[in-house]
Amino acid sequence: KNEVEQSPQNLTAQEGEFITINCSYSVGISALHWLQQHPGGGIVSLFMLSSGKKKHGRLIATINIQEKHSSLHITASHPRDSAVYICAVRGGGADGLTFGKGTHLIIQP
Amino acid sequence: EAQVTQNPRYLITVTGKKLTVTCSQNMNHEYMSWYRQDPGLGLRQIYYSMNVEVTDKGDVPEGYKVSRKEKRNFPLILESPSPNQTSLYFCASSLWDSGYGEQFFGPGTRLTVL
Repeated sequence: KNEVEQSPQNLTAQEGEFITINCSYSVGISALHWLQQHPGGGIVSLFMLSSGKKKHGRLIATINIQEKHSSLHITASHPRDSAVYICAVRGGGADGLTFGKGTHLIIQP
Repeated sequence: EAQVTQNPRYLITVTGKKLTVTCSQNMNHEYMSWYRQDPGLGLRQIYYSMNVEVTDKGDVPEGYKVSRKEKRNFPLILESPSPNQTSLYFCASSLWDSGYGEQFFGPGTRLTVL
C-alpha cells in the first residue's frame, strides 16, 4: 500500500510570497493528483500528473518519478489561495486513490 | 453544466437505521468512487467502480455497500449505520482512460449517526 506524506502540514504566509507544498510517496504510481479544498468543504481538482510539469495560471505542479516526489508551487500568493491542498496517488492498473493528509495554507493580506 | 450531485447534503440519523446517499454524474464518466473524510485521517476511499456492474473495495469498505446499475448513478448504502460512520462523504467521477482521469467531486454529504 502506498504511503503518501505531505509537508508542511500547516503554512501561513504573506500575500505575494512564493509557496511550495511537497508530496512524497513510497511506491511507484501511474498518476498523481493535486486537489484543493476550500473552507466551505468543496474539493476541486487542480492537476493530474504522470510526469514532468504542468502550469495553470499561478499554479505549477512538478513530479519526479524516480525520486517519488511532487511539488505544488503558487506564485504571487493571494488570500483567496487559502485552502487545504491535498495530494493523491494512484497505483498501476485498477488501483484506487491514496491521499495525503493535506496542507492547510493561510495567506494573510 | 457538468457536475456530480449528492443527496442529501446533510443527514442526522440513529444507529441501525438503513440509509442511502445518492450520487449522480452527467459527464458519462466510467469511473466513480466514494470517499470519507475525517479530521486527522484525511480522505480515504470506500468503494470505487470502473464501469456498470464493476465495483471494488477501497481502503475502508467495512459497513458500506454500493451498486452500479447505471453509468450515471453510484449510491452508497449503509445497512446498519453506527456512530463511527459519522463523517463527511464525497462522491467523485472521472473518465477511466487508463486510470488517468481528472477527478470531479460532488459537494459532500455530512452524516451524523447518533
